[in-house]
Amino acid sequence: QQKVQQSPESLIVPEGGMASLNCTSSDRNVDYFWWYRQHSGKSPKMLMSIFSNGEKEEGRFTVHLNKASLHTSLHIRDSQPSDSALYLCAASNTNTGKLTFGDGTVLTVKP
Amino acid sequence: EAGVTQSPRYAVLQEGQAVSFWCDPISGHDTLYWYQQPRDQGPQLLVYFRDEAVIDNSQLPSDRFSAVRPKGTNSTLKIQSAKQGDTATYLCASSNRGRDTQYFGPGTRLLVL
Repeated sequence: QQKVQQSPESLIVPEGGMASLNCTSSDRNVDYFWWYRQHSGKSPKMLMSIFSNGEKEEGRFTVHLNKASLHTSLHIRDSQPSDSALYLCAASNTNTGKLTFGDGTVLTVKP
Repeated sequence: EAGVTQSPRYAVLQEGQAVSFWCDPISGHDTLYWYQQPRDQGPQLLVYFRDEAVIDNSQLPSDRFSAVRPKGTNSTLKIQSAKQGDTATYLCASSNRGRDTQYFGPGTRLLVL
C-alpha cells in the first residue's frame, strides 16, 4: 500500500487561479514533508519543505502541515502556465533521511 | 556549483542484456540515492549510501540489480539481466548529511524491449 497518498491525480486551473494540492502519509514515523516539482522530461526539483505545524509561504507558494493527521497541502496562487508540471509530495524521517514519494498531482495551467 | 551528473541519458536494451548507470553527486555530499521512476509514478528508492557504506538496499531487486560507491564519491548502478518491467527513468540524488534537501540528477531513461 502506498504510504504517501496525493490528491487529486490531476488538476486544471486557469491562468491567474489558485491551485490546491493535498498529501497524506500513513507512516507515523515521518516528521518532515517535502514538495518537489517535475517538469516534463526533467528531474524533480525541491520547491518547499516543512516540519512544523502551521503554514510557510514563499512567494506564490504556501505549504500547510498538520502533524497530527500527517497531512500537508500546497497552494499556488496566481498560477502561471510555467507552473504546469507533476507535483510530488515526499515524507521523511530526520533520523534516516529516506524520502518516500507519492505518485504526484499533474497540474495544468490553461492560458 | 555543479549539480548531480548522470550518464548515459538514454539506454535501449533487449531483455536479458546488462546495463550500467553512472552518477557523480554534488561535491561534498556524503549521501547518495538511486531511485526508479516508472512512467506516471513517483520515484521509488532503490538504495542509498552514506559515504561508501550501503545504508538501505531493501528495495533493490538483489538477484539482478547491484550498486556500489567504492570511494564514497561516484556510484554505479547495474542491471545484470534486464526485463521489460525495468523500463523506467533511473534517478540519482545526493544530499549533505542525509537530512538536507536531495538534489536530483537529470536521470537515465531506460527502455527494455
